[in-house]
Amino acid sequence: SAVISQKPSRDICQRGTSLTIQCQVDSQVTMMFWYRQQPGQSLTLIATANQGSEATYESGFVIDKFPISRPNLTFSTLTVSNMSPEDSSIYLCTAGTVTEQFFGPGTRLTVL
Amino acid sequence: GIQVEQSPPDLILQEGANSTLRCNFSDSVNNLQWFHQNPWGQLINLFYIPSGTKQNGRLSATTVATERYSLLYISSSQTTDSGVYFCAVPMYGGSQGNLIFGKGTKLSVKP
Repeated sequence: SAVISQKPSRDICQRGTSLTIQCQVDSQVTMMFWYRQQPGQSLTLIATANQGSEATYESGFVIDKFPISRPNLTFSTLTVSNMSPEDSSIYLCTAGTVTEQFFGPGTRLTVL
Repeated sequence: GIQVEQSPPDLILQEGANSTLRCNFSDSVNNLQWFHQNPWGQLINLFYIPSGTKQNGRLSATTVATERYSLLYISSSQTTDSGVYFCAVPMYGGSQGNLIFGKGTKLSVKP
């Protein structure tokens, strides 16, 4: 299994600003992903974090808005840029293998 | 892309009751996972079950891949079972790790 930590756990931000979320895994993993969970909704995949190269974004998400880094096999960051109230969500990092994925505790973001 | 539908959307049980949650998916996959999100938001992986049946304590799951559905059984429910249950399959089919989630079944177990 893998233990995933995220920082910050929650934040309240002003519109127009940016926030960087960090995800740390306690072991080397091949796969890391970032998801968004809007209030009362299911999870939506933002992107696959690729080690040492550009992330692979899903439809509706772009690099300018959600830049992602993954410098090594245990660490990734997601930045939410030029925030608006519609970005208020829980952002979750996951890591693992095809057969088992582990979720971080999530970052609860509120944009005013 | 693949569609994932879960039913029922909401379920209220008395402690000790049994329940069955269903997940239908629109295309063939080699990866299906069930997750539980507790009331505090933490997601836990329950089962990786692309086909067949697995059991873990009071929980068991069955996937019939040829008919594109999976069932999650909860027996002798406890209040700690409350939360949202999600099933997820590869977004583009096959066995990839980038998952699409159903909308979930919200379970409330009353004492």
